Amino acid sequence: SQQGEEDPQALSIQEGENATMNCSYKTSINNLQWYRQNSGRGLVHLILIRSNEREKHSGRLRVTLDTSKKSSSLLITASRAADTASYFCATDGNTGKLIFGQGTTLQVKP
Amino acid sequence: DTGVSQDPRHKITKRGQNVTFRCDPISEHNRLYWYRQTLGQGPEFLTYFQNEAQLEKSRLLSDRFSAERPKGSFSTLEIQRTEQGDSAMYLCASSSTSLLAGGLGTQYFGPGTRLLVL
Repeated sequence: SQQGEEDPQALSIQEGENATMNCSYKTSINNLQWYRQNSGRGLVHLILIRSNEREKHSGRLRVTLDTSKKSSSLLITASRAADTASYFCATDGNTGKLIFGQGTTLQVKP
Repeated sequence: DTGVSQDPRHKITKRGQNVTFRCDPISEHNRLYWYRQTLGQGPEFLTYFQNEAQLEKSRLLSDRFSAERPKGSFSTLEIQRTEQGDSAMYLCASSSTSLLAGGLGTQYFGPGTRLLVL
């Protein structure tokens, strides 16, 4: 079963704009990870944020985590057409397995 | 090659046939995971190994599914008597629990095996 929900399910923006995706989860976590998936391909790891961290940056990506609200957000700044993909958050409890949301489909128009 | 590899990339089979998929993890990773992903959904956990030990299996993993990792390196996932509902992308991932290897729990995924059961 899915851990939680991602919002929005689909997002369409112009190149150069920022894209924000949100993720909510249900149970306590060790860490939360964001992945990107291009159509029909495997998942590419973007960033991992630990449960004791509140914000993390990697290049044009910024991830926040609010464990009190059981939510996370992924911000992609200055988006490019190549950012077009599905984005998934995944939580890792104590068992090692990842539990994924349903994903946000991002389209960046050139 | 330093990534996770999976073979085959695509498989078409008839209902009732058996299929086997292979996953080769990143060489120093001791954990290996299998997930299944259907169209429009996020991946769902199936099972995972630490070295050669299978530590957890999902309820999704019916009796027709079996996974092995005999020497703690590559893994195979077999589906017996395939059904149309088995059609999906089967993803393998690996990670390391070693702090020396940067083992924070990041899982690295292979390209997946897309299965179509006719």
